[in-house]
Amino acid sequence: QLQLQESGPGLVKPSETLSLTCTVSGGSISSSDYYWGWVRQPPGKGLEWIGSMYYSGGAYYNPSLKSRVTISMDPSKNQFSLKLSSVTAADTAVYYCGRDTIMVRRVIIYYDGMDVWGQGTTVTVSS
Amino acid sequence: QSVLTQPPSASGTPGQRVTISCSGSRSNIGTNTINWYQQLPGTAPKLLIYSDNQRPSGVPDRFSGSKSGTSASLAISGLQFEDEADYYCAAWDDSVNGYVVFGGGTKLTVL
Repeated sequence: QLQLQESGPGLVKPSETLSLTCTVSGGSISSSDYYWGWVRQPPGKGLEWIGSMYYSGGAYYNPSLKSRVTISMDPSKNQFSLKLSSVTAADTAVYYCGRDTIMVRRVIIYYDGMDVWGQGTTVTVSS
Repeated sequence: QSVLTQPPSASGTPGQRVTISCSGSRSNIGTNTINWYQQLPGTAPKLLIYSDNQRPSGVPDRFSGSKSGTSASLAISGLQFEDEADYYCAAWDDSVNGYVVFGGGTKLTVL
């Protein structure tokens, strides 16, 4: 059974870089069928997709966050990571990692949702 | 301001059928399939419907999805107390380089 677990600091200072890691067990992130991504949820608010990456490096990002986001993969550890730079209080949220079903067939993209999620980790931006 | 528009709340009594709407545009729902998530209090979201109307394994057939043009709906029949949750729609948006957009979420209360 595929399981994902987020880890990283729960408190980040304003203007610094938020760094989180997602460890995958029960399956390989090198699977050719899936992307691996991040979603966040500010307190009391809705979901916001951050971005997703394929194991070989192709990625899609939310344009509103793209300038500050880096997603990277470490197949040797079966992990992928999120870095969000220049954080402010608005980046305070629960951050979820997940398996994203993005299928690229020639130039057409088929998206069937994030079908496996981690439990989420709370990150607070405060001095 | 979410790209997809959902009503903030919905309600029903046990046994009833309720629907939750999701409105978008040609670049998202009008061109691509819709997915729905259920988020129970204090838990991670769970994929409920994908590809407009497909249920992942284990999702009861009380949950169904439909789409027409740039709008979609999630229907829950035989409402149960355990269905009280937040529901989100999501779709791929072809604008910019392509990304996933969510609705703002609908809180379903079972009275």
